[in-house]
Amino acid sequence: DTAVSQTPKYLVTQMGNDKSIKCEQNLGHDTMYWYKQDSKKFLKIMFSYNNKELIINETVPNRFSPKSPDKAHLNLHINSLELGDSAVYFCASSPDRFYGYTFGSGTRLTVV
Amino acid sequence: SQQGEEDPQALSIQEGENATMNCSYKTSINNLQWYRQNSGRGLVHLILIRSNEREKHSGRLRVTLDTSKKSSSLLITASRAADTASYFCAPTGSGGYQKVTFGIGTKLQVIP
Repeated sequence: DTAVSQTPKYLVTQMGNDKSIKCEQNLGHDTMYWYKQDSKKFLKIMFSYNNKELIINETVPNRFSPKSPDKAHLNLHINSLELGDSAVYFCASSPDRFYGYTFGSGTRLTVV
Repeated sequence: SQQGEEDPQALSIQEGENATMNCSYKTSINNLQWYRQNSGRGLVHLILIRSNEREKHSGRLRVTLDTSKKSSSLLITASRAADTASYFCAPTGSGGYQKVTFGIGTKLQVIP
């Protein structure tokens, strides 16, 4: 069973479109995260939720909106996609931040 | 936020040799974690060392932590071609919901 699963794995879309990436974890963890990895492999945190409550909201454009319907799911919706949004997006979860994170396999987003 | 800086940025060794990677950070921590990322995959948690620990082992991995120097090292003994990956450190602060931010990692190549 996959512990943290993201869908889709690849996403190619045109500028201006709206898209969503879904993330689910079956580990019973309380905290979930979204990270963005750019072409230089630099991983930046975007959001963190603890038990469905937003606890970290980095300086990301408000075109990005996370949604956590329950503590096992954290989805990422992106409006009006831009070329600079092209990156690999990783979802992760942890019991809390004092324990290791379990990452999903990533969603490679390409905006053309 | 707390970010680790890995050094060197790239390392190439022969199979069977040991590989050492270093991490430096700036402020006090609760723990420090090491992760591995294979090309095109998500990060995999390797080991977590708490601030009151000085050394930790897991299989062929040995991690040391020197809080006075704000540094950590990851040693991989008897390296294998399958160890080829990027390695990231993630120092985690003590208070509140602090962000865990990753550096650009050390890219390790193990030549068969």
